[in-house]
Order: sequence, then structure tokens, then C-alpha cells
Amino acid sequence: AQSVTQPDIHITVSEGASLELRCNYSYGATPYLFWYVQSPGQGLQLLLKYFSGDTLVQGIKGFEAEFKRSQSSFNLRKPSVHWSDAAEYFCAVGGGTSYGKLTFGQGTILTVHP
Amino acid sequence: NAGVTQTPKFRILKIGQSMTLQCTQDMNHNYMYWYRQDPGMGLKLIYYSVGAGITDKGEVPNGYNVSRSTTEDFPLRLELAAPSQTSVYFCASKLAGGPDTQYFGPGTRLTVL
Repeated sequence: AQSVTQPDIHITVSEGASLELRCNYSYGATPYLFWYVQSPGQGLQLLLKYFSGDTLVQGIKGFEAEFKRSQSSFNLRKPSVHWSDAAEYFCAVGGGTSYGKLTFGQGTILTVHP
Repeated sequence: NAGVTQTPKFRILKIGQSMTLQCTQDMNHNYMYWYRQDPGMGLKLIYYSVGAGITDKGEVPNGYNVSRSTTEDFPLRLELAAPSQTSVYFCASKLAGGPDTQYFGPGTRLTVL
């Protein structure tokens, strides 16, 4: 069965600091991996996705993520965090044979201090 | 394009009542999904559909029903509301299988008292 683990429930960083959100997945075939962001009271917005090719993928809002097959990880990074990045972040995994169904991690809440 | 729209935004139900959560997409997407989101639990898949007339259960289908008579609409039905169904419900859609992006609606916050 597929699963996603986001080890950090809550992360606090200062504005301008770098950020890394961790994501570990379990999937029996080649995974498609996604990072979504959810602002309070809003739906989910896609930040970036990986399905093949270059293992370092760039997304919107200055985010990037690196796929490491050997570590079953897909960590999200940003070099300099802005106060507007405060939100909840979800990692998700799916695959080509699963009718596009996604399995989500528990989410990481990001707080940004001025 | 409005994308994925959901109605209502908020609803309070009494135990045993029924209701339908509406979801409509105007992107001509074949695949549609219903998720529920509980604090600290991420999103769990309730039901999904790969086209009009085709639906299947997800991870947490008990207490819910769906239908898909058109490409655009994918309503979620709660027949006998229970407190355990208090949650935020999200509808999503995507064009096809594979790595296509799922687009999410704004959600419906449901409270069952």
C-alpha cells in the first residue's frame, strides 16, 4: 500500500531564513510526487510535481524539491522564506496505474516569524 | 473558467439528517475526486470517478454515496449524518490519469451536531 510521511507537524522559521520540509513516501512502482500548499480557509494549490526526468524540480513561488529514489524522499526547499509563505504544506504520491488517486501526508504547518 | 466550484461553503447538520454536497467543474475533466480533511490527518479519498457513469470507492467511503451523470458534476451524498462526518470536504478534478495536476475546489466545512 502506498503511504506518505511528513515527519514535521509544525515548523517555525524567521523571515528570510531557508526552509526544508521533509517528505518520505512508500510506493510499489514509479511514483508521481506532488507538493500542495493550503492557506487558511482555502483549497489546495499545486506548488510543483515530479514524474520523470530531472530529479530537481522547480515550482511556483520560488519553491523547489528534489526526488531521491534511494531515500524514498521528496523534500521541499526554499532559500529565503517570506511571511506570505505561512500555510500548511502537503506532500502526495500517486502513480500511473491508480486512476490518478493521490495519497497525502499529514501536512506540515509553517509559521513565519518577522 | 471558474475551475472547481463547491456548494455550500458551510453547513451545520443534525445527527440523522441528510444532505448533498455539490461539486461542478468547467474544465471538461474526466476524473473527479472527493476528499475529506481532518486536522492532522491530511486528506483521505472518499470516492472517485473516471468518467460519467463510472464511480468507485476510495479509502473512507462508509456513510457516503456518489453519482456521476454528467462530466461536469460529481455530488456527494450523506444519508444519515453522524458526528464522525464533521470535516472539511474537498472536491478535485483532473483531465486524465497519470501525472496530471488535480485542481481543488475551495471546500465545504460541515459540522454534524
